[in-house]
Amino acid sequence: RKEVEQDPGPFNVPEGATVAFNCTYSNSASQSFFWYRQDCRKEPKLLMSVYSSGNEDGRFTAQLNRASQYISLLIRDSKLSDSATYLCVVMGNTDKLIFGTGTRLQVFP
Amino acid sequence: NAGVTQTPKFRILKIGQSMTLQCTQDMNHNYMYWYRQDPGMGLKLIYYSVGAGITDKGEVPNGYNVSRSTTEDFPLRLELAAPSQTSVYFCASSYGLANDNEQFFGPGTRLTVL
Repeated sequence: RKEVEQDPGPFNVPEGATVAFNCTYSNSASQSFFWYRQDCRKEPKLLMSVYSSGNEDGRFTAQLNRASQYISLLIRDSKLSDSATYLCVVMGNTDKLIFGTGTRLQVFP
Repeated sequence: NAGVTQTPKFRILKIGQSMTLQCTQDMNHNYMYWYRQDPGMGLKLIYYSVGAGITDKGEVPNGYNVSRSTTEDFPLRLELAAPSQTSVYFCASSYGLANDNEQFFGPGTRLTVL
């Protein structure tokens, strides 16, 4: 089983739609959780950290379910500029980041 | 601030050749990392460093070497290039531990080994 698993997509959604991605992780001792965004042929950039209580940043909401070992990212009112690959990232008990393979989002007009 | 810079952007190597991928950061970060990203795969950690003079292996270190003589620079050396090393290589840095600190990535080096 992969340490971090994501649905690769692609998710094709119209502008204005709400879309949600899930991610599961295998190490129950994982400490920290993040979503990174990667544009085509570019480097990853931190989108947001994921906290146990859930957190929101504008149109983006991240949630963590430790009991079920999954993380989610919700994007409301999708924009064309949201088209990218979203990487689920987990830090285990070794202080190193483990990256998922990413979920590709394509927002169309 | 330029952030994290990498050179070269692209390179084609023949099997058995050697090269050094350069990485420099100007944010005075203690931690630096090298990752590789293969198509359809997640980033894999090759080597990392928690400060000048200190390096350690990541998940996929075979075929690579690193050094960290200064805070700013963290070059990655490929001694005998193999087709399996065809990948995109990203250097990253962070101020401190991964749980509290964002990792900033360079633009990547696309390497093809033929």
